[in-house]
Amino acid sequence: QQQVKQSPQSLIVQKGGISIINCAYENTAFDYFPWYQQFPGKGPALLIAIRPDVSEKKEGRFTISFNKSAKQFSLHIMDSQPGDSATYFCAASMRWGAQKLVFGQGTRLTINP
Amino acid sequence: KAGVTQTPRYLIKTRGQQVTLSCSPISGHRSVSWYQQTPGQGLQFLFEYFSETQRNKGNFPGRFSGRQFSNSRSEMNVSTLELGDSALYLCASSSDRNSPLHFGNGTRLTVT
Repeated sequence: QQQVKQSPQSLIVQKGGISIINCAYENTAFDYFPWYQQFPGKGPALLIAIRPDVSEKKEGRFTISFNKSAKQFSLHIMDSQPGDSATYFCAASMRWGAQKLVFGQGTRLTINP
Repeated sequence: KAGVTQTPRYLIKTRGQQVTLSCSPISGHRSVSWYQQTPGQGLQFLFEYFSETQRNKGNFPGRFSGRQFSNSRSEMNVSTLELGDSALYLCASSSDRNSPLHFGNGTRLTVT
């Protein structure tokens, strides 16, 4: 029940396209859903985060969509660029900003020029 | 502002040995957390420290321990190393217990 399932494992998108990564969870007590971006040799960096009472949050080219009834949330990267090529992780925790995060398995995104 | 600093970047140890990893949080940050990252298990929470006290612990054996000092710097220790402990160990800091995590670039531990 503590798991967060992420798909796909890897994704290839053409430059300018939309990248979509999906996550699903079981624990309805989760109250904080951040997305992290990780480049090779670097630690994860926070991209954007959402609460379950919000259906969508947008920051620049990055949008989180949240479906509370389905216990699913997704990351959309609009106008994907080669510099977006990285591994993306969804995560969940019991409260906003909690330090103990449960992470999805990650999606390796490649944007072809 | 300098980011989270982890030392050393790379470590090679032999099975049965022990190891200590160090983390200096972002200046002013008082909360430090540790995560283990492996290809098989992904990112897993180890523990959280705030004001020199362990506030939360993940599902790891007692061989994994940590501490936080009065200047918020933190160390984690792994005793009696096993091959399966080979991983990237990530330290993250935040200004308090309810703020987003800022990760360092990790210490890559290889156990042979």
